[in-house]
Amino acid sequence: NAGVTQTPKFQVLKTGQSMTLQCAQDMNHNSMYWYRQDPGMGLRLIYYSASEGTTDKGEVPNGYNVSRLNKREFSLRLESAAPSQTSVYFCASREMTGSAYEQYFGPGTRLTVT
Amino acid sequence: TQLLEQSPQFLSIQEGENLTVYCNSSSVFSSLQWYRQEPGEGPVLLVTVVTGGEVKKLKRLTFQFGDARKDSSLHITAAQTGDTGLYLCAGRLSNDYKLSFGAGTTVTVRA
Repeated sequence: NAGVTQTPKFQVLKTGQSMTLQCAQDMNHNSMYWYRQDPGMGLRLIYYSASEGTTDKGEVPNGYNVSRLNKREFSLRLESAAPSQTSVYFCASREMTGSAYEQYFGPGTRLTVT
Repeated sequence: TQLLEQSPQFLSIQEGENLTVYCNSSSVFSSLQWYRQEPGEGPVLLVTVVTGGEVKKLKRLTFQFGDARKDSSLHITAAQTGDTGLYLCAGRLSNDYKLSFGAGTTVTVRA
């Protein structure tokens, strides 16, 4: 049981390049999330998928697209990378426990855009 | 402007001392969670509180949810170097799939 896995772990892009961040979970969770983490700003939600086949914008969706490929996989795409997208990106999945929701995070992808 | 304000932003203490981290909001949350994150890793859930006034203990960590469900605190007794990390609070508004995170408190426990 690997939990939430993310690839790649590190990436350097030039401005204007594109790339896809991959995320997979093996916990059979319905909901999955993409966050970015910047110093002093905590985690900000980019996109989420409440269930297979649905995706919704979060707090900071501009410049990103997502695909919920199946129940396990949720990818994040940067079509034309910008230096402002330099950040650490975390994928998470969620299960409901009692009346609360608990999120499980992947190890992160550290992206630098030059 | 963040929905959840954490204070202090940084905290450095000696091993054996106590510390408290605060998480405040003007919004009412149906549940509130605390996560700890170590360098190079993703956040790991420590606790979830759902009832106003609820107190939960996890070994030397005590978590409290405010009576009005707008604020929370994390208290660590006799801190150890292994408690070093970034502590994040996160709240869920009613009928919302999303969590709102605070900016975090970086705790450093010196040997």
